[in-house]
Amino acid sequence: DQQVKQNSPSLSVQEGRISILNCDYTNSMFDYFLWYKKYPAEGPTFLISISSIKDKNEDGRFTVFLNKSAKHLSLHIVPSQPGDSAVYFCAANLGNEKLTFGTGTRLTIIP
Amino acid sequence: DTGVSQDPRHKITKRGQNVTFRCDPISEHNRLYWYRQTLGQGPEFLTYFQNEAQLEKSRLLSDRFSAERPKGSFSTLEIQRTEQGDSAMYLCASSTYRAGGYTFGSGTRLTVV
Repeated sequence: DQQVKQNSPSLSVQEGRISILNCDYTNSMFDYFLWYKKYPAEGPTFLISISSIKDKNEDGRFTVFLNKSAKHLSLHIVPSQPGDSAVYFCAANLGNEKLTFGTGTRLTIIP
Repeated sequence: DTGVSQDPRHKITKRGQNVTFRCDPISEHNRLYWYRQTLGQGPEFLTYFQNEAQLEKSRLLSDRFSAERPKGSFSTLEIQRTEQGDSAMYLCASSTYRAGGYTFGSGTRLTVV
């Protein structure tokens, strides 16, 4: 049962444009959401998070939007840079110590 | 502070052998987690320690798997009688607070042949 879904396995975006990565979840009890970025041969790196009581959180070029009624969150990266090319994972938390991850979206920034 | 260290980076073993992985978390982090990632999937939770106490285990952690964190410092994950299905990346992470921005290590890639 995949409770966190990233339906786009890959995404290509021109350098300087906006990258939008999407994530859907099924469990309305999730209360905290996170995005991680992963380069090959490295562990995931935490990017940004959002509590379920908020609908937006911004950190520099990264903004996460949460739509609880649609059980959907998105990560916006603007402007996109070549170093943003990586696999991005959405993760969700139920108020315990465990994170439930999506399957990831591979983002490629085209120079 | 060198982050979360995992050793070895790669391990190839024959089916039926035992393997042990080590994780050294960030020194001030009292929370330590093990995750497993297979090809095309996101990381899956295996187990969690707060200091030396193992407080949560996934049903993915069969009887062949055991994890320890003596003295609340480094942790080891042992897999006994390895099977081909155990082939995966084993990730360790640490944190100072619940489910917030874990710091992951680079992982140990296990290949069972």
